[in-house]
Amino acid sequence: DGGITQSPKYLFRKEGQNVTLSCEQNLNHDAMYWYRQDPGQGLRLIYYSQIVNDFQKGDIAEGYSVSREKKESFPLTVTSAQKNPTAFYLCASSMGQILNTEAFFGQGTRLTVV
Amino acid sequence: GENVEQHPSTLSVQEGDSAVIKCTYSDSASNYFPWYKQELGKGPQLIIDIRSNVGEKKDQRIAVTLNKTAKHFSLHITETQPEDSAVYFCAATEGHSGGGADGLTFGKGTHLIIQP
Repeated sequence: DGGITQSPKYLFRKEGQNVTLSCEQNLNHDAMYWYRQDPGQGLRLIYYSQIVNDFQKGDIAEGYSVSREKKESFPLTVTSAQKNPTAFYLCASSMGQILNTEAFFGQGTRLTVV
Repeated sequence: GENVEQHPSTLSVQEGDSAVIKCTYSDSASNYFPWYKQELGKGPQLIIDIRSNVGEKKDQRIAVTLNKTAKHFSLHITETQPEDSAVYFCAATEGHSGGGADGLTFGKGTHLIIQP
């Protein structure tokens, strides 16, 4: 089955810790994205990557870091610098070309700071 | 950058009636407008999309209309059913010539409630 997989589904973090959220896709998509979702806020873009070994900051990148060493993987690290990390995190991918920007989403990771 | 406004935030309709959700966008360069449906605890799923060279698109009970001059687009669901209850998001992007996509800008979502 082709798709995009996020893990874990639920994650608990103590204050001051870094945590890494996994995102893997087997759709052969060039572009990958991380969004944060808060109640009543819609989806806000954290980071995106159009190609391997390249990524760009989105609207709310502070306190987050990413890497794109492989085409199929785009992990997100929530660092201790992120002051309010409790949220639902969504990873997405797309072909990345102008004529086809449909984004496919994973099932999300709910991060809670305890 | 792009700004997308979505209304209403909550919409309650009787089963069998129609539902309309409206969005406006600010960037006249935007050329791709998808609609996503998100069920509780899951990721959004694309239900329909429209590009700027088309004014209307229909897929069974779902349709989307686009008015480029006014910079607004709408989702229409006819003959609503209980399984249509979910949160719906509109989005817009311009993409970039030469390849690549810098991400969709989303509206804040509409919680659609279908009353039996």
